[in-house]
Amino acid sequence: GAGVSQTPSNKVTEKGKYVELRCDPISGHTALYWYRQSLGQGPEFLIYFQGTGAADDSGLPNDRFFAVRPEGSVSTLKIQRTERGDSAVYLCASSWDSYNEQFFGPGTRLTVL
Amino acid sequence: AQRVTQPEKLLSVFKGAPVELKCNYSYSGSPELFWYVQYSRQRLQLLLRHISRESIKGFTADLNKGETSFHLKKPFAQEEDSAMYYCALSYDTGNQFYFGTGTSLTVIP
Repeated sequence: GAGVSQTPSNKVTEKGKYVELRCDPISGHTALYWYRQSLGQGPEFLIYFQGTGAADDSGLPNDRFFAVRPEGSVSTLKIQRTERGDSAVYLCASSWDSYNEQFFGPGTRLTVL
Repeated sequence: AQRVTQPEKLLSVFKGAPVELKCNYSYSGSPELFWYVQYSRQRLQLLLRHISRESIKGFTADLNKGETSFHLKKPFAQEEDSAMYYCALSYDTGNQFYFGTGTSLTVIP
């Protein structure tokens, strides 16, 4: 079956612009995670959704970052007023619930010039 | 606070030699520990988790609460084991996951 998909695969933007990153989880998975991976680092937890609600957003670095999952399926990570330090690979993962294996997407590489 | 530490960024072993990838964690509660692997040009995927106590692709990992470690071991490394390995920790609520910085394993033919 189809795995987790993320679009776009690459995004280049200018400092100060707004970007949206999309994640399509595996059908039926209720748990969805966003991570950020900078060069040479492991994935850094950003936010966790259980269904439609953000069960834990403690990893979001500041109020420029926001994520939604309005219908409990597709999720969008939104970054306002992008900064060069936001450049990273943004990973999405989904699972049946928070205690099960996470399936990762291919990531979106964000470059802020 | 660094919750998961992988002290080796790079590790090279010869084919057929034993391999151990180190992972230490800092958490006083009841953690769940995982090893994830990323092969070249592939997605990050689960290798094993401590509660299942399985051996996957010949790899095993034992949770040592006294030493707060969860080292990954394989008695005889294979070339196809070359990959990036990440140790990860989840609190018992399963809400947050913390990954280490990863160890790049190269198995020399």
